[in-house]
Parts: sequence; C-alpha cells; structure tokens
Amino acid sequence: ETGVTQTPRHLVMGMTNKKSLKCEQHLGHNAMYWYKQSAKKPLELMFVYSLEERVENNSVPSRFSPECPNSSHLFLHLHTLQPEDSALYLCASSHDMRNTIYFGEGSWLTVV
Amino acid sequence: KQEVTQIPAALSVPEGENLVLNCSFTDSAIYNLQWFRQDPGKGLTSLLLIQSSQREQTSGRLNASLDKSSGRSTLYIAASQPGDSATYLCAAGDQGGKLIFGQGTELSVKP
Repeated sequence: ETGVTQTPRHLVMGMTNKKSLKCEQHLGHNAMYWYKQSAKKPLELMFVYSLEERVENNSVPSRFSPECPNSSHLFLHLHTLQPEDSALYLCASSHDMRNTIYFGEGSWLTVV
Repeated sequence: KQEVTQIPAALSVPEGENLVLNCSFTDSAIYNLQWFRQDPGKGLTSLLLIQSSQREQTSGRLNASLDKSSGRSTLYIAASQPGDSATYLCAAGDQGGKLIFGQGTELSVKP
C-alpha cells in the first residue's frame, strides 16, 4: 500500500466511449502525475499538477484530458481513444516536484 | 534532451549472488537520480533517491551510487534472493522535477 489509489484497475473501452481514470493520494502531497507505460517503452510523463495547477503537458493528444479538483484527487478523462492508447496508466504523487515520487498500482486500459 | 539507458535489459543470477545494475544518462545536469522496482502488472516502488550533491545512498541490501561527471549510476544488490526478482528502473530528475526513465533491467534470481 503506497498511499496512492487508482480506480479502476482494469478498463476495456470502445473507441467511441468516454471513460475516466481516478487517482487519490492519502499522503498530503502537493504534486500529482499521470504516466503512461506501454510495452517495450520507457515510462512517459503525460501530465503534472502542482498545487492543483497544471505545470507540464508533454504534447499529449487532446483525447486525454486531466482534471485536478483538489490536491488529493486526479482524474484522466478519456474520449475517442485509439487501440495504440492501450497501456498501463500510472498515477503518482510527491511532496513537491523534487522529492521521492510514490506510484499507484496503475490502471490497465485496453481500447478495442 | 535527456536520455537514460539501462544495461543489461535482462539478468538471471543464482540466489546469494551479489549483482550490479547499470544506469547511464546523457545530460549530467540532473537534480536527482531515483531507482524503482516494478513487479509484474504492478506500479513502481521507490527504492532509493540520490540527490545530485550525494555520491551514494544505502537501504538494507541495496546501495546506489551516482557519478554525475560520467553520467552513471549503479544499483548494487547484495546477497540476492528470489524475492528480489522484478524489473528495476532508474530515472533522472531535472530541476523542475521531471523524471526521465530508462527501459529497465528485468532481474530473475533463481533459487
């Protein structure tokens, strides 16, 4: 138990569906992140929020839309995804952006 | 642009052996270097974080070293156990807190 909880753990969606991934951290951290892990590729940073403001957006397609309503919660809204978006999506948090980062267990996404 | 490389990609050793995992990075202007462990189908667990001003960090049987000038970090695992089997990832952090990950070393420790 890392203190970062992700739901759902597994999600299968069609290309026309709209779904959301949820992340909650119980560590009192100020920074939260979304990473994507595809087979045979290094982890890719998608979005960073610090004190609920987005500070990084690594040229992620607009079909991925993050939301950070408060410092404990982070969402990734998914719309009109492609099969190549199938991957493990990892949420993480840290006290600030320079300290040890703690990851959740991830959400396995399959786009059919 | 920072690039992180981990060698070897996979390693299999008998139980009890001491081993070294390697991580190299192209831009020496890092803020910190972190090592993580990932079990199959799971998230990442932070093992050690070395600040750029430090040379090494130790936790139990794990020791991580950092040589910024040569762009290298190593993770030393003493007296390996089957429970150490996992993928080990290193990540170089910049001033803004962005982490660039290597592709990982998949370790298998045989009983």
